[in-house]
Amino acid sequence: LAKTTQPISMDSYEGQEVNITCSHNNIATNDYITWYQQFPSQGPRFIIQGYKTKVTNEVASLFIPADRKSSTLSLPRVSLSDTAVYYCLGAGSYQLTFGKGTKLSVIP
Amino acid sequence: DAGVIQSPRHEVTEMGQEVTLRCKPISGHDYLFWYRQTMMRGLELLIYFNNNVPIDDSGMPEDRFSAKMPNASFSTLKIQPSEPRDSAVYFCASNNIAGGSVWQFFGPGTRLTVL
Repeated sequence: LAKTTQPISMDSYEGQEVNITCSHNNIATNDYITWYQQFPSQGPRFIIQGYKTKVTNEVASLFIPADRKSSTLSLPRVSLSDTAVYYCLGAGSYQLTFGKGTKLSVIP
Repeated sequence: DAGVIQSPRHEVTEMGQEVTLRCKPISGHDYLFWYRQTMMRGLELLIYFNNNVPIDDSGMPEDRFSAKMPNASFSTLKIQPSEPRDSAVYFCASNNIAGGSVWQFFGPGTRLTVL
């Protein structure tokens, strides 16, 4: 399982773009990089997944460089409702290991 | 689709009592996972099943914990006897592997308090 490292917390003002970087130096060849979002008193929710280069959906963008040793989750124009914990995982072999995640606080 | 269903949502019990947590995965999903979340340890995988068969229970903390999946639509996590340090939020998740991509759908969790 890929061990991931991400910042414990981040603060941002409303309307700004937020980039959360995760390092996963030992990611396996067949691992996907997956990001989850967790609001207080709820279970984690899948937001985006990628293997390499760039992936974009209605919620976020995910940038993965060629060496795949890191990835960056980009949230455009955050709002107060984006305040949550964001987890980065290197997922493969049907197992997922969550760390402590990054607690994002959006300030009015 | 109702999503992953867990019951009860909240459970308060006294030390030494048996606790049973329940989970109904999303129909058609063949993997089921049990997690525990605490402030100190974050989100930990306890056990997971594939096609109702336990595949990896290395995360189960000790013999007081047991999990079963008698059929594709139901699983239980049992703690007997319960201890205050078992207080946590327990999540159930399910998925259906498609190719190499892997992500899970989580239930709302059961908040367990052991007094």
